Amino acid sequence: DAMVIQNPRYQVTQFGKPVTLSCSQTLNHNVMYWYQQKSSQAPKLLFHYYDKDFNNEADTPDNFQSRRPNTSFCFLDIRSPGLGDAAMYLCATSRGAPRRAEQYFGPGTRLTVT
Amino acid sequence: ELKVEQNPLFLSMQEGKNYTIYCNYSTTSDRLYWYRQDPGKSLESLFVLLSNGAVKQEGRLMASLDTKARLSTLHITAAVHDLSATYFCAVETNAGKSTFGDGTTLTVKP
Repeated sequence: DAMVIQNPRYQVTQFGKPVTLSCSQTLNHNVMYWYQQKSSQAPKLLFHYYDKDFNNEADTPDNFQSRRPNTSFCFLDIRSPGLGDAAMYLCATSRGAPRRAEQYFGPGTRLTVT
Repeated sequence: ELKVEQNPLFLSMQEGKNYTIYCNYSTTSDRLYWYRQDPGKSLESLFVLLSNGAVKQEGRLMASLDTKARLSTLHITAAVHDLSATYFCAVETNAGKSTFGDGTTLTVKP
């Protein structure tokens, strides 16, 4: 089945220790998104790739970086995690213009920072 | 800046009752999505509304979009416990980015 896969599902890291979250997709969608969702809050868009074009949200901290080496994979790097970065991180994909469609979300990675 | 407001934020209802969740947004858009999220889980797409007057129905849920009023509704008919979840609306801008409402946490009680 075509899908969005995130690894790992649960990640524990220490304060200040870099961590990388992974997302892959078999949908062949050209747009990939990373969201941060804290407890009882709405998902907050961090950045997205339209093909290889990287689009950063204005309020995304520099501590968060992303890489998209090919259509199928996208990575979220947190360079120096703080306690406030503990959250669920959601990857999503969508078909881009001209006929955009809804976003398909992966199962998420729950990040704990100790 | 696009603002999306959902109300109510919390909704407790009895099984068998009807209710409506509202999603208001602040700028022009003709593309709105509704998602469901169960506790600890990811988001599941429920409805895609792509034009003024669009109405979609799936089981006990029906969503509609009024782009002139900048309003979407999610109507619940004869609620059952399985509908307990958090429901988000998301409004897409022409740039292709979605802004989410704060979510409505629905609890259906026997």
